[in-house]
Amino acid sequence: QVQLVQSGAEVKKPGASVKVSCKASGYSFTSYALYWVRQAPGQRPEWMAWINAGNGDTKYSQNFQGRVTITRDTSASTAYMELSSLRSEDTAVYYCARASKYSMDVWGEGTTVTVSS
Amino acid sequence: DIQMTQSPSSVSASVGDRLTLTCRASQNIAIYLAWYQQKPGKAPKVLIYAASSLERGVPSRFSGSGSGTDFTLIISSLQPEDFATYYCQQTNNFPFTFGGGTKVQIK
Repeated sequence: QVQLVQSGAEVKKPGASVKVSCKASGYSFTSYALYWVRQAPGQRPEWMAWINAGNGDTKYSQNFQGRVTITRDTSASTAYMELSSLRSEDTAVYYCARASKYSMDVWGEGTTVTVSS
Repeated sequence: DIQMTQSPSSVSASVGDRLTLTCRASQNIAIYLAWYQQKPGKAPKVLIYAASSLERGVPSRFSGSGSGTDFTLIISSLQPEDFATYYCQQTNNFPFTFGGGTKVQIK
C-alpha cells in the first residue's frame, strides 16, 4: 500500500539543525511531489515546502526565511527536510505528505521535534 | 498569503446530528480547496478535494460544496468516529494555507 514512513523523534538545542527523512513506498516516487507541513501544539498545520520528486524543483514558505532545505534521493525513494537555526518556537510535529492535484492525499505519521536547552 | 477562516471554531453536537462547517478564503481560489479530518496524535486525513470530490474510502455522509471564496463541509449524520478537528486548506497559491480548524465535540 502507499505509505510514507518518517524518521524518529528528535530533541535539539537552540541554534542546532535537524534533518527529518520521509521514505515513500507503494508508488512511483518520482511521479509525485511531496510537501512538508508542521504543526505546533494546539495550532493549525503550517505549510513549509514542496519538492518535485522527479526533477528536484523546490518551493519554500517565506515564513522560514531560508532556514529550511528540502532534498530527495530518488534511489532510496526518500525525501529530506532540514531546518537550521532552531529555536523553541520550532517545537512541533513535522509531516511529509504526497501531493495530488488538489490536496495532500497521503501523509507520513509525523516526526516530533523538540527544541529545548 | 491567502488567509483561510473557518467557522465555528468549535461545536458541540450529538450522534445523528447534521453539521455544517464553513471555510472562507481571503481571495478567489476557484475549487482548489481540500478538507481534512484530524484526530489527536494523528496526521490529518483528506476527506474532500477539489471543493466537492469525495476522497476514495471516505463515507458518503461527508460532502463538500462551494467555489471562489466560500466553502462548506457537511456531515449529514454525525457518527461517534467523526468527533475530531476539521481543517480546510487552499491549494491554489503557495504557500498552501490552512484554516484555523473546527473542533467537533460530543454534546
